[in-house]
This record gives sequence, structure tokens and C-alpha cells, in this order.
Amino acid sequence: EVQLVESGGDLVQPGGSLRLSCSASGFTFSNYGMHWVRQAPGKGLEYVSVISSNGGSTYYADSVKGRFTVSRDNSENTLYLQMSGLRAEDTAVYYCVKDPNFRGYFDYWGHGTLVTVSS
Amino acid sequence: EIVMTQSPATLSVSPGERATLSCRASQSVSSNLAWYQQKPGQAPRLLIYGASTRATGIPARFSGSGSGTEFTLTIISLQSEDFAVYYCQQYNNWPPVTFGQGTKLEIK
Repeated sequence: EVQLVESGGDLVQPGGSLRLSCSASGFTFSNYGMHWVRQAPGKGLEYVSVISSNGGSTYYADSVKGRFTVSRDNSENTLYLQMSGLRAEDTAVYYCVKDPNFRGYFDYWGHGTLVTVSS
Repeated sequence: EIVMTQSPATLSVSPGERATLSCRASQSVSSNLAWYQQKPGQAPRLLIYGASTRATGIPARFSGSGSGTEFTLTIISLQSEDFAVYYCQQYNNWPPVTFGQGTKLEIK
């Protein structure tokens, strides 16, 4: 059974940093591109970032470019999102999502982890 | 960036009836369109990809159609568990992928 379990969400002050983790199981993690998608409270879905299966390719939405860094450790089956320069508008539930064939749609989602940016 | 527009924002339908949800792309996305269902407090779930292919385990009462810029998600014989928010998402020229703003399907 595919499982994606995010962790690391917290309350952080504006300008602060946070690292999110996503532990994957139930599939060969190193074979799949992985994404981050976020959802502000009561709002819709916003695409954040993607990393290829070997970590060689990444992409960031304009809203987070230069502040967020996606990475992965295939030996630990873990996806990361390093967040810095956090702003109030980064407040959201962050979902780790699996891409079945690096086509850009998502067949499995984690439960999400809440990041709150507030003073 | 391709803009996805869903209509209506809220759809009220009685159980057992049919629901038709629409999604429009600002430019052609071919058949690279997915639909997701999200219930309160839960992560989204993939329903449809390739505009019309049901994901694993999705009941046959869910169907998707369309190509280019106009897409439809149809749910027949609505069950109580189908009342949720539905999002469309294009993945034609990505990244980035883009989502519609969602349609809330509520009980009439």
C-alpha cells in the first residue's frame, strides 16, 4: 500500500525557516518524480514544486522561487521541502504527492502538514 | 500559465440524481486533464486522468469527457459520499500544472 507521510509543519514567524519531510513507502520511491502542492486554509490547490526521480531536475512556482528548495534522499525514501523567508501567504497545508509516470498528475497524496506563518 | 476555470462554484443536487461539473482551460490542454475529489479534512483523491480514464478503484458512476479547452465531470446516481469539492487540473505544458478553483457539490 502506497503511503506518504508528511511531517515538519509548525507555527513559524515571518522570515523564518522550516523543513518539511515526506516519508514514502509501498512503492519504489527512487523510480518516481515527486511534487509538493499546498492549500491555504479554505482555499484551493496551489502547485509548489517538483523533483525528478533522481533529483536532477527541479522546478518551483514563482511564488516560492528563491525561497524554497526541494530535495530527496532515495536511500531513505524521503522527500524534503526546505522553506526559508517564510511569509504569511505561505500559510497552508503542504501535501507531498506522487506522480505515476512523471506526466504531471498525482495518483497518491499524503495527509498534509500545516505550516502557519504568523507573529 | 494556463488558467483553469470551473463552473459552477457550487452545485446543489439531490442524492440519486446526476451532477455535471465543468472545467475550461484558457488554452488547449489536449486531453491532459485530471479531476480530483476532496472531502473536508482530507487530501484530494485522483478520480480521472487523461480527461476520461478513471483512476484505480474509482466507481463507474464517475465519468470524464472533453478535450482541448472544455471538459466535463459527470457523476450519475449521486451517493452521499460523493458530496465534496472537485478540482480539475491541467498537465499539458508543465511545469507548472494548474488547478481550477474548485466546485463544491452539495446536497440539495
